[in-house]
Amino acid sequence: QKEVEQNSGPLSVPEGAIASLNCTYSDRGSQSFFWYRQYSGKSPELIMSIYSNGDKEDGRFTAQLNKASQYVSLLIRDSQPSDSATYLCAGGGNTGFQKLVFGTGTRLLVSP
Amino acid sequence: GAVVSQHPSWVICKSGTSVKIECRSLDFQATTMFWYRQFPKQSLMLMATSNEGSKATYEQGVEKDKFLINHASLTLSTLTVTSAHPEDSSFYICSARGGNSEGYTFGSGTRLTVV
Repeated sequence: QKEVEQNSGPLSVPEGAIASLNCTYSDRGSQSFFWYRQYSGKSPELIMSIYSNGDKEDGRFTAQLNKASQYVSLLIRDSQPSDSATYLCAGGGNTGFQKLVFGTGTRLLVSP
Repeated sequence: GAVVSQHPSWVICKSGTSVKIECRSLDFQATTMFWYRQFPKQSLMLMATSNEGSKATYEQGVEKDKFLINHASLTLSTLTVTSAHPEDSSFYICSARGGNSEGYTFGSGTRLTVV
């Protein structure tokens, strides 16, 4: 069974610190990986996508992918209280026809 | 971008009745739409994959006769919860990939409460 594993948290960091969120996946055939942020009672919103080994940066967010270790991470620099949410890691194929497999999510709490 | 419009955002229905949830891709064609359910403090659970013009593919344990999915056009997919019961109360979310988005775009979700 294809699985994506995340630590449920909560991960608590002070405002301004770097938050590091991690994810491992079991399906070596996964080609694309996504990080979503979900606020309580809302639907997920896409933060980052990553397809190749290495780092991908977008503003305060950096996604890292290591296919050999089957490991994906998300770094949030200069964390803000508004970043407090549940972060979902997901893995999928190359096309929109292929379903995503989601982890259970990591709850992040950023304290002022 | 890629926008998926989902309606209604919330609905309360009596036990035994049916509820229809609509998802529309507004600025792209969604050949495939995914339907999820999320219970409080739990992650997303994929219920089914909806393909335009063909029957939906249901995940193991999801009753296809209870959760009817219709994907009649490239921009509209519907989920009907038939004979709803209180245990069907949940947050239902649709998702599709397309447009200018690199990832899968989610609808805003439907909070279903069955009383």
